[in-house]
Amino acid sequence: EAGVAQSPRYKIIEKRQSVAFWCNPISGHATLYWYQQILGQGPKLLIQFQNNGVVDDSQLPKDRFSAERLKGVDSTLKIQPAKLEDSAVYLCASSPRLSGSVEPKNIQYFGAGTRLSVL
Amino acid sequence: GQQVMQIPQYQHVQEGEDFTTYCNSSTTLSNIQWYKQRPGGHPVFLIQLVKSGEVKKQKRLTFQFGEAKKNSSLHITATQTTDVGTYFCAGPSGAGSYQLTFGKGTKLSVIP
Repeated sequence: EAGVAQSPRYKIIEKRQSVAFWCNPISGHATLYWYQQILGQGPKLLIQFQNNGVVDDSQLPKDRFSAERLKGVDSTLKIQPAKLEDSAVYLCASSPRLSGSVEPKNIQYFGAGTRLSVL
Repeated sequence: GQQVMQIPQYQHVQEGEDFTTYCNSSTTLSNIQWYKQRPGGHPVFLIQLVKSGEVKKQKRLTFQFGEAKKNSSLHITATQTTDVGTYFCAGPSGAGSYQLTFGKGTKLSVIP
């Protein structure tokens, strides 16, 4: 089974520029997450999608960050304009989110991430 | 909001020594998960604990979930260089939530 695909792996931009990241989750996974991981910290959730709908974007800085998952499969995360403090690894994860009588395991499968450096 | 705290932040051990990391939540958790992130890599799921007092083993790794379901620990027996990485615990962000709140992680270095 193919894992979560992300691109690009690395990106260097200057502050005030724009950048976009792409994620293709594991086939059949309904739930998709975008995380920001600053060096030395744990992943911090930015946004969660269920199919093509947003479940939670309360921690997404909406003045500069946007995300979409138009067809319920792959997703893009955009930053416009970038700030120095946006330098981080942006991780995409997906989850099968089992439901019904089966204990939901909400196990998350992460992609390799995009390392963003804002200069 | 819910907080998940991990200690220690860093641990350096001699190869062959044991290692333990502790995780504490500000709220009772329905389950707790552990992930490992190798240097330069991404978090990889290790295990999920659900029951109060649960203990699970994976070879040299032993995971425990506290009786009150607010704390957890990961113990590695006789560390090897392949154990190097950052170990994160994560718990649901709220009742019935499928989101996870991650701790800051414990970075393990193993000296050969």
